[in-house]
Amino acid sequence: SAVISQKPSRDICQRGTSLTIQCQVDSQVTMMFWYRQQPGQSLTLIATANQGSEATYESGFVIDKFPISRPNLTFSTLTVSNMSPEDSSIYLCSVGAGARQPQHFGDGTRLSIL
Amino acid sequence: DAKTTQPTSMDCAEGRAANLPCNHSTISGNEYVYWYRQIHSQGPQYIIHGLKNNETNEMASLIITEDRKSSTLILPHATLRDTAVYYCIVRASGNTPLVFGKGTRLSVIA
Repeated sequence: SAVISQKPSRDICQRGTSLTIQCQVDSQVTMMFWYRQQPGQSLTLIATANQGSEATYESGFVIDKFPISRPNLTFSTLTVSNMSPEDSSIYLCSVGAGARQPQHFGDGTRLSIL
Repeated sequence: DAKTTQPTSMDCAEGRAANLPCNHSTISGNEYVYWYRQIHSQGPQYIIHGLKNNETNEMASLIITEDRKSSTLILPHATLRDTAVYYCIVRASGNTPLVFGKGTRLSVIA
């Protein structure tokens, strides 16, 4: 399975600032996804990162708050903009190789906003 | 994607088999059953998936009923390291992302 590296693994940020999370995969993948996991909750899909085009966002998530880039088949970034304490969560990158193949996950970025 | 129903929590004695049930009564013919687990402070880990036949790998076995409306994940000899939240997810083939429910919190007890 693909090896997924996320940076940073954790960070503590001030409210009103922005943070960009990087996701690097050791092989080319068709699909890349970003999830959020709020404290004590399950995972919620934020968006699908599309290579060469704008990301596809789920209901409740907008590009201005969570801009996503995917410049190639092995890398993506998620920015959490104008952060507030409610954005304190784990943000996870996930990749998929296509039909009938399982998705794999990085270990996430644990973000705390003061 | 079809919705799944899992018990909120389960306990299992170390060394015994852990049987985790999942109901997916509205599953469609082209949807697979996937199982993942999430150990504290880690990302979800893929365990196994299947369409209609029973499946086995080095981690677990997946038993899917003939009508495909439910399944059971079996960890044959649970260890303390198997303590985690287990997610049962149904997903169509193709590039649709996984949609997570609340899962089952399995506690393996010494």
